Amino acid sequence: AQTVTQSQPEMSVQEAETVTLSCTYDTSESDYYLFWYKQPPSRQMILVIRQEAYKQQNATENRFSVNFQKAAKSFSLKISDSQLGDAAMYFCAYKDSGGYQKVTFGIGTKLQVIP
Amino acid sequence: GAVVSQHPSWVICKSGTSVKIECRSLDFQATTMFWYRQFPKQSLMLMATSNEGSKATYEQGVEKDKFLINHASLTLSTLTVTSAHPEDSSFYICSARRGYTDTQYFGPGTRLTVL
Repeated sequence: AQTVTQSQPEMSVQEAETVTLSCTYDTSESDYYLFWYKQPPSRQMILVIRQEAYKQQNATENRFSVNFQKAAKSFSLKISDSQLGDAAMYFCAYKDSGGYQKVTFGIGTKLQVIP
Repeated sequence: GAVVSQHPSWVICKSGTSVKIECRSLDFQATTMFWYRQFPKQSLMLMATSNEGSKATYEQGVEKDKFLINHASLTLSTLTVTSAHPEDSSFYICSARRGYTDTQYFGPGTRLTVL
């Protein structure tokens, strides 16, 4: 079974600084998807960024970028120019290729942004 | 686009009663919908996967007779918690897969409290 590990229960960052959240996963598949979801206090899950395993180029979305290391099975999220609104729980997630496949979530990292 | 709604957003019920939670994809057709449960300060636990017009597939340990899932149309899935007990109190989140893509979009969640 696939597993997703987030080893940082909590992280903090100064406003306008950069922070990196770590995620590793385990799979025997070669084709899959990785996601970072944000869950603010409202508890609405928001997709931050997605990466397709067959693409070598790291995904970016404005201030959010990933460092995808397929051989190492590592998928870290970098948040640049951190803003107060970035404070939330961040979940790393894995999904096998195939839309009907389920998503496996890590336990989350709580990010605090310090003004 | 890709908006998912849930109703109600919170519900309080007496032990022994049944509660229905609706999940709707507002601007797309959801071929597959997923139901998750989230305990405080924990990750999302997949309960079941449902495809439109067919029976739901339940994860191991989830009682299908207690958590009834119906996916009657491409925009609506319902979760009914039957004979609810206090231990069923939790945050229930649905997600929907748009068409045959690999990304799930989440509803805002429903907080269930069973007295």
